[in-house]
Amino acid sequence: KQEVTQIPAALSVPEGENLVLNCSFTDSAIYNLQWFRQDPGKGLTSLLLIQSSQREQTSGRLNASLDKSSGRSTLYIAASQPGDSATYLCAVRPDPQETSGSRLTFGEGTQLTVNP
Amino acid sequence: DGGITQSPKYLFRKEGQNVTLSCEQNLNHDAMYWYRQDPGQGLRLIYYSQIVNDFQKGDIAEGYSVSREKKESFPLTVTSAQKNPTAFYLCASSEGGSYNEQFFGPGTRLTVL
Repeated sequence: KQEVTQIPAALSVPEGENLVLNCSFTDSAIYNLQWFRQDPGKGLTSLLLIQSSQREQTSGRLNASLDKSSGRSTLYIAASQPGDSATYLCAVRPDPQETSGSRLTFGEGTQLTVNP
Repeated sequence: DGGITQSPKYLFRKEGQNVTLSCEQNLNHDAMYWYRQDPGQGLRLIYYSQIVNDFQKGDIAEGYSVSREKKESFPLTVTSAQKNPTAFYLCASSEGGSYNEQFFGPGTRLTVL
């Protein structure tokens, strides 16, 4: 059974700092990995989706990397701003050639606070 | 203005009552999903539907029911059989197969009094 872990559970940084959020998964047979942002009491906003054949994806100040063989992904946020404060979740989708079903497995999230 | 809408935003229910949560999408997506989120936990899949008139149980389907009579609508009923229904419920959809990127609605917070 796939398990997804996100470390740290919470992170507080000063404005302007570059930071890295970590996501690890136990079964490397994945189809893709998706990073989401969730503001308090809100739904999830998709940030980046990385296919299993890709090493990284970039969107603005965000860069997500994927090392499928070691079961790890990182989300790098450059020049953090107070508006980046939110919970960040990663989720993996299984490889259809190796695992039945297509459901996403989510980590518990990292709660990020960027202090002005 | 395309997207996923959920209603109501907040819902209160007395014990023993059934309640239905609405999810509508105008993205023309084939697949739709219901998740439950509890404090400090990741999302858990309740039910999903890949096409109209078809749906499958997720990891925590007991005490819930769904229907998919229209492509754009996927309502979730929380029945009195659900032992601990107080949670944040999120609906999502994806284009084509369920291997594609999922987009989420704003959520419904259900509280059982």
